[in-house]
Amino acid sequence: AQSVAQPEDQVNVAEGNPLTVKCTYSVSGNPYLFWYVQYPNRGLQFLLKYITGDNLVKGSYGFEAEFNKSQTSFHLKKPSALVSDSALYFCAVRGYNQAGTALIFGKGTTLSVSS
Amino acid sequence: DAGVIQSPRHEVTEMGQEVTLRCKPISGHDYLFWYRQTMMRGLELLIYFNNNVPIDDSGMPEDRFSAKMPNASFSTLKIQPSEPRDSAVYFCASSSRAGNTEAFFGQGTRLTVV
Repeated sequence: AQSVAQPEDQVNVAEGNPLTVKCTYSVSGNPYLFWYVQYPNRGLQFLLKYITGDNLVKGSYGFEAEFNKSQTSFHLKKPSALVSDSALYFCAVRGYNQAGTALIFGKGTTLSVSS
Repeated sequence: DAGVIQSPRHEVTEMGQEVTLRCKPISGHDYLFWYRQTMMRGLELLIYFNNNVPIDDSGMPEDRFSAKMPNASFSTLKIQPSEPRDSAVYFCASSSRAGNTEAFFGQGTRLTVV
């Protein structure tokens, strides 16, 4: 069965500092991995995805994520955080050999960036 | 495209009443997903459709929940009768293929059952 773990309920970081939001996954075969962001009272917005190729994926708003197959991780990163990055972040997975299935999401991590 | 459209945005109803949530997916997308978001359980998949056919409804919590997709541009999620524990935000999402493509989410329906 597919699953995603986001071990931190909340991440606090000062503006201008680098941020990392952690994600580990479990899936049979190769994974497709996704990050989404949710602002208050809004739907989920797609940030970036890993399908194949380069382990470092770049996405919207300066975010990037690093795929690590040996550690089954897909951590979200940004070199310099902004207050406006404060939101709820979700990691999601789908198995490569499970094209007919839905995305499975982690429980989410609240990112709080202080000025 | 206007994106995935859900209605209503907010619904307050009394316990025992029937509730119907509506979704219009992005045109051309052939997968449609219903998710439920709560503080306790996070984002749960309830059911999804491919080409209007339900593929996996194992996430539907009880027989009180039902979902339909009569055509490619419309889906409903119905709760009958509703209970206070059904209070949550319900999201609809669609995607063009359920492989390496991302899903696009609607704004959600916040349901409160009193």
